[in-house]
Amino acid sequence: SQELEQSPQSLIVQEGKNLTINCTSSKTLYGLYWYKQKYGEGLIFLMMLQKGGEEKSHEKITAKLDEKKQQSSLHITASQPSHAGTYLCGADYTGGFKTIFGAGTRLFVKA
Amino acid sequence: GAVVSQHPSRVICKSGTSVKIECRSLDFQATTMFWYRQFPKQSLMLMATSNEGSKATYEQGVEKDKFLINHASLTLSTLTVTSAHPEDSSFYICRALQGASEQYFGPGTRLTVT
Repeated sequence: SQELEQSPQSLIVQEGKNLTINCTSSKTLYGLYWYKQKYGEGLIFLMMLQKGGEEKSHEKITAKLDEKKQQSSLHITASQPSHAGTYLCGADYTGGFKTIFGAGTRLFVKA
Repeated sequence: GAVVSQHPSRVICKSGTSVKIECRSLDFQATTMFWYRQFPKQSLMLMATSNEGSKATYEQGVEKDKFLINHASLTLSTLTVTSAHPEDSSFYICRALQGASEQYFGPGTRLTVT
């Protein structure tokens, strides 16, 4: 969707390195979701952010939503092969869970 | 935790036939379910929003006569791809809402039309 841009499209990192994935919306968000997807499988919910400036963490993954609620970043610390997959951000603009997804970022972690 | 299942997980059908995909919420009632499709290496595209007991709302560009959605109960929504063609081959994923705050994705159904 042109409303939601994810970058980079793909990323190759060495195991143990940190990385950041960005998600930018052209409109103010009601809520922002982060998901992980393995090829050919369903989506695994990671985090939801709703408040401007909000930051959440789960294990080695941290996600932030900027004050304007138009940009979010997902940061992985000390990446591991288990982090490999496609990360998708999803935008909710109305509060009705009608989520629009970004194109995804394919993450490869080299052991 | 809440679980959403999809059946079948994989299906191969011949061109011109119809295929039904089921999405079930196993331990909660889902008043709203969403259907997405995903082409290889692409993101999810919202096809339609399905509310129990009412007609589905389709996104722009999605043919409602081709993709029939029925949300007959609070635990079941079905997507029927009618007169399937090879270009309909895709990964179809449902998403179910529990109340006003919880939402869960199904594991997806891979449809291949030969």
